[in-house]
Amino acid sequence: DTGVSQNPRHKITKRGQNVTFRCDPISEHNRLYWYRQTLGQGPEFLTYFQNEAQLEKSRLLSDRFSAERPKGSFSTLEIQRTEQGDSAMYLCASSLQGVVYEQYFGPGTRLTVT
Amino acid sequence: SQQGEEDPQALSIQEGENATMNCSYKTSINNLQWYRQNSGRGLVHLILIRSNEREKHSGRLRVTLDTSKKSSSLLITASRAADTASYFCATVPMGDDKIIFGKGTRLHILP
Repeated sequence: DTGVSQNPRHKITKRGQNVTFRCDPISEHNRLYWYRQTLGQGPEFLTYFQNEAQLEKSRLLSDRFSAERPKGSFSTLEIQRTEQGDSAMYLCASSLQGVVYEQYFGPGTRLTVT
Repeated sequence: SQQGEEDPQALSIQEGENATMNCSYKTSINNLQWYRQNSGRGLVHLILIRSNEREKHSGRLRVTLDTSKKSSSLLITASRAADTASYFCATVPMGDDKIIFGKGTRLHILP
């Protein structure tokens, strides 16, 4: 399968713990996006990378959130000192640079903070 | 922030009927897209309409775009049980490099 993959699919953690999610984009895509989706809402943009460079971060991305894409391939999203309000689906998408509207989404990682 | 507002928020129809969902957005756009999301899963791209297009078809889907009213509609004809999902409109604002999603319409097809 050459689509976007995300791991883990589900994560349950206690408040205050750190969590890290991984996204593997489609191999030839140089852009990678992270979104957060809460129940009953549409996905909200968090950040995106072009190759290894993080080009934009939403104000939703507090200091507790950090994303990396060290080699321009896979990306990680870390949340430190998780709070109950962080419970959401975290979606990753990838695209080619010139075709940003054609984003291919992964299945998401559902985070539950207890 | 979210750009689009879908209407209705939820829709239940009998299998075989047509389903219409509407979307309004706020800023000038390059294009507008519709996505489907099955419960708890990732998004699937359905159709894209460019700002200079007024109508587009793909299979049982028909999308219209009225840039003067900043609105779009998605029509699904001859609905099937498998069409049960949430549908989101999404826009790429002019001069921007990211997609902005609406809140979605939850469609339920009754057998």
